[in-house]
Amino acid sequence: DIQMTQSPSSLSASIGDRVTITCRASQGISNYLAWYQQKPGKVPKLLIYSASTLQSGVPFRFSGSGSGTDFTLTISGLQPEDVATYYCQKHGSAPPTFGPGTKVDIK
Amino acid sequence: EVQLVESGGGLVQPGGSLSLSCEASGFTFSNFWMSWVRQAPGKGLEWVANIKQDGSDKFYADSVRGRFSISRDNAKNSLYLQMNSLRAEDTAIYYCARGSGWHDYWGQGTLVTVSS
Repeated sequence: DIQMTQSPSSLSASIGDRVTITCRASQGISNYLAWYQQKPGKVPKLLIYSASTLQSGVPFRFSGSGSGTDFTLTISGLQPEDVATYYCQKHGSAPPTFGPGTKVDIK
Repeated sequence: EVQLVESGGGLVQPGGSLSLSCEASGFTFSNFWMSWVRQAPGKGLEWVANIKQDGSDKFYADSVRGRFSISRDNAKNSLYLQMNSLRAEDTAIYYCARGSGWHDYWGQGTLVTVSS
């Protein structure tokens, strides 16, 4: 099975900073990658699918890029409400494995 | 409004069984793959199983294959997860989610605790 890794595992950034999270697949997955945001005690929320397609209603400061094995989630201008854990997930074929998550908080 | 409401969680002894349900509303249930995803306390997300629109295809995580069974009843707009031979490591919040790969709607989850 294809394994998903994320880096860093956690980060602290200041309000307004540009934040980048990386997700790597152990084999090429084309653009079959999604990103989720999970705030503490809340249900995961889909941010991006197909590597770069923004889910309806998600703020434009979130963007995704990449294909093959390397992907990034970028928050252009971190806001207090962005404190959360972010997960990548491969999609397109079973199993739709999640990455281990990246915890983002405010410095 | 799309809603997914899970039920059936609770405390069960190791080796026991539990059946989870997810009632869907606000969309044409029979048009979508559906999935179960779980999250152990303080841990990350783990995909558990998914099922095709008509129930003809089902996939399972290695960690649950042979012990868990996913099913659906499109007439009742409902998704199910039968869990047998439960282990302590199955303790988690179990979420019902729409879709086979990326999931645009999630339920609130139901907590399953496996402990003696």
